[in-house]
Amino acid sequence: AQSVAQPEDQVNVAEGNPLTVKCTYSVSGNPYLFWYVQYPNRGLQFLLKYITGDNLVKGSYGFEAEFNKSQTSFHLKKPSALVSDSALYFCAVRPISNFGNEKLTFGTGTRLTIIP
Amino acid sequence: GAVVSQHPSWVICKSGTSVKIECRSLDFQATTMFWYRQFPKQSLMLMATSNEGSKATYEQGVEKDKFLINHASLTLSTLTVTSAHPEDSSFYICSAGLAASSYEQYFGPGTRLTVT
Repeated sequence: AQSVAQPEDQVNVAEGNPLTVKCTYSVSGNPYLFWYVQYPNRGLQFLLKYITGDNLVKGSYGFEAEFNKSQTSFHLKKPSALVSDSALYFCAVRPISNFGNEKLTFGTGTRLTIIP
Repeated sequence: GAVVSQHPSWVICKSGTSVKIECRSLDFQATTMFWYRQFPKQSLMLMATSNEGSKATYEQGVEKDKFLINHASLTLSTLTVTSAHPEDSSFYICSAGLAASSYEQYFGPGTRLTVT
């Protein structure tokens, strides 16, 4: 069974400071990893994904994430936080396969608050 | 990018009535669609996976007779909550997988259901 852990329910960062939202995963074999952002009463917006290749993945809105296989982590980062980054962030994992019906497993989410 | 819509975006219904939620892939064909449920301040829980032209696969604990899913075409899946009760009040989100790019899911904006 696959699982995702987001150990922090809440992360507060001052505007302009670097931010990190943590994610660790467990899956059989190699993973596909994703980060999504959710604003109030909205669906999920895709930020970035790791499929294969370079361990550092760059995504939307200046976010990036680093895949670390030995630590089974996929932390989300941004060098300089904006107030508009305040939202709920979800990490997700699914096993590598050629089938489109493989399930995504989500973490419990981390609420990121950027303090002006 | 791939766009998924949901209709309605919010609905209020009386206890005992049925409510249908539509999920459409607007600019791509989706062989697989997923239905999630999200409680306040919680993560997404996968309810079922639907493949075009076949019966949906429900997750453990999800009543298939209560949450009817139909995936009649490659661009439309519907979720019908039958005989709704207040405990069914929730945020329902669908996602769709591309036939060609099988590892990515695109999420709809969600439907807020309130049962009075």
